[in-house]
Amino acid sequence: QKEVEQNSGPLSVPEGAIASLNCTYSDRVSQSFFWYRQYSGKSPELIMSIYSNGDKEDGRFTAQLNKASQYVSLLIRDSQPSDSATYLCAVNGLEYKLSFGAGTTVTVRA
Amino acid sequence: GAVVSQHPSRVICKSGTSVKIECRSLDFQATTMFWYRQFPKQSLMLMATSNEGSKATYEQGVEKDKFLINHASLTLSTLTVTSAHPEDSSFYICSARGPPLAEYSTDTQYFGPGTRLTVL
Repeated sequence: QKEVEQNSGPLSVPEGAIASLNCTYSDRVSQSFFWYRQYSGKSPELIMSIYSNGDKEDGRFTAQLNKASQYVSLLIRDSQPSDSATYLCAVNGLEYKLSFGAGTTVTVRA
Repeated sequence: GAVVSQHPSRVICKSGTSVKIECRSLDFQATTMFWYRQFPKQSLMLMATSNEGSKATYEQGVEKDKFLINHASLTLSTLTVTSAHPEDSSFYICSARGPPLAEYSTDTQYFGPGTRLTVL
C-alpha cells in the first residue's frame, strides 16, 4: 500500500467551478499535511498546510483534514485557468521527511 | 520569507563529467535540506537528507558515491553528480526545512526552483 494516495485524475473543470482533490494516507501518527502546486517544468510551491481536524481556508483554497479517516482534501473555488497545474499532497514522517502522493493534474477550461 | 535558490537552473554536460548543483536558503538558516529527483510525469523521489555538519542520509537505492552531498553551512547544500551518464538526466530539486514561521510547522519544506540536468 502506498503511503500517500491521491485521486488519479486528470481532473478537468470549467472556469468558475470547484475543483475537489482528495488524498489518503497510511501513517496514523502523521501530524502535518501539505498541499503543493507544481506547474509543468517548475518545482513545487507550497499553497496550504493543515494540522488539525476540520477546515482551513485561505483565499479560494480550502483544506480539510479528517485524521480518523486518514483523509485530507483540497477544494479550489472559482477555479481559474491559472490554477491548471499538478497538485501534490504531502504528509510528514520520520526525520522531517515528507511523503508525496503521485499528484493530481487539474485543467481549468476557459 | 523562506526563499530557496538553486544554481544552475539548467546544465548540459557530456557523459563522464561531474556536475555540482548548489542549494541556498536565502533568508533563513536551514539545518536540514533535502534533495529530490523528478523524471517526466512522475512524482518527486527523495534522494537524500542533508544535515548541516554531518553526513547525508541516502534513501534506499541511491548511490552515495555517485551523488555526493555536502552541507557545509546552515544556508548551503551542494549535490555533485559524479561521472554523469544519460540516465542521470533529470530534474533535481532541493528543499529546505523552513523557519518556525507562525503559519507553518517546523517540518515545512520550501523548494528551490530546480536544476534540469541533461547528460549527452
